[in-house]
Amino acid sequence: AQKVTQAQTEISVVEKEDVTLDCVYETRDTTYYLFWYKQPPSGELVFLIRRNSFDEQNEISGRYSWNFQKSTSSFNFTITASQVVDSAVYFCALSEGYSSASKIIFGSGTRLSIRP
Amino acid sequence: DAGVIQSPRHEVTEMGQEVTLRCKPISGHDYLFWYRQTMMRGLELLIYFNNNVPIDDSGMPEDRFSAKMPNASFSTLKIQPSEPRDSAVYFCASSFGGTSGGDPYNEQFFGPGTRLTVL
Repeated sequence: AQKVTQAQTEISVVEKEDVTLDCVYETRDTTYYLFWYKQPPSGELVFLIRRNSFDEQNEISGRYSWNFQKSTSSFNFTITASQVVDSAVYFCALSEGYSSASKIIFGSGTRLSIRP
Repeated sequence: DAGVIQSPRHEVTEMGQEVTLRCKPISGHDYLFWYRQTMMRGLELLIYFNNNVPIDDSGMPEDRFSAKMPNASFSTLKIQPSEPRDSAVYFCASSFGGTSGGDPYNEQFFGPGTRLTVL
């Protein structure tokens, strides 16, 4: 069965600090996809990134970076030089198989607060 | 390009009343998903459609919930009769069933949600 664990319920840091959000997943499939979504205080869910199980290259997008390690079943998300606007709940998610119809299973989320 | 549109954004109703939530997916997307978000259970998939056909409704909590997709640009989620435990934020999401570089386009794009309060 698939499962996504975000052990950090809440994180609070001071602006400009770097912060890493952890995500550990479980799946029996060899083909799967991992995602990160952001839910700001306004409530909408914003897609950030998708990564497939065959691509372990790390990804960087501005201040955001993602570290995918199959050996530890982790897909961690780092924000460098955090800003107040980064305050949100961040969800890691997993879908199994190679299909646009695959269900996405979400973790419980990590609430990130950036203090000025 | 407009994103996923949901209405109403907020709904307050009394127990026993019928509630209808509406969703317009992104044009060209052929998958539509309904989720419910609560503090206790997080984000749960209720049902999803492909080309207007319900594919998996195993997440629908009980017979009081029903969903329809009469055409590619509109879906409804109905609760009848509503109960206080149905209070939650209901999200609609859509995705495109094509591929890019061999990968399926399986990321889902979410609407702003409908916050439902049943008194």
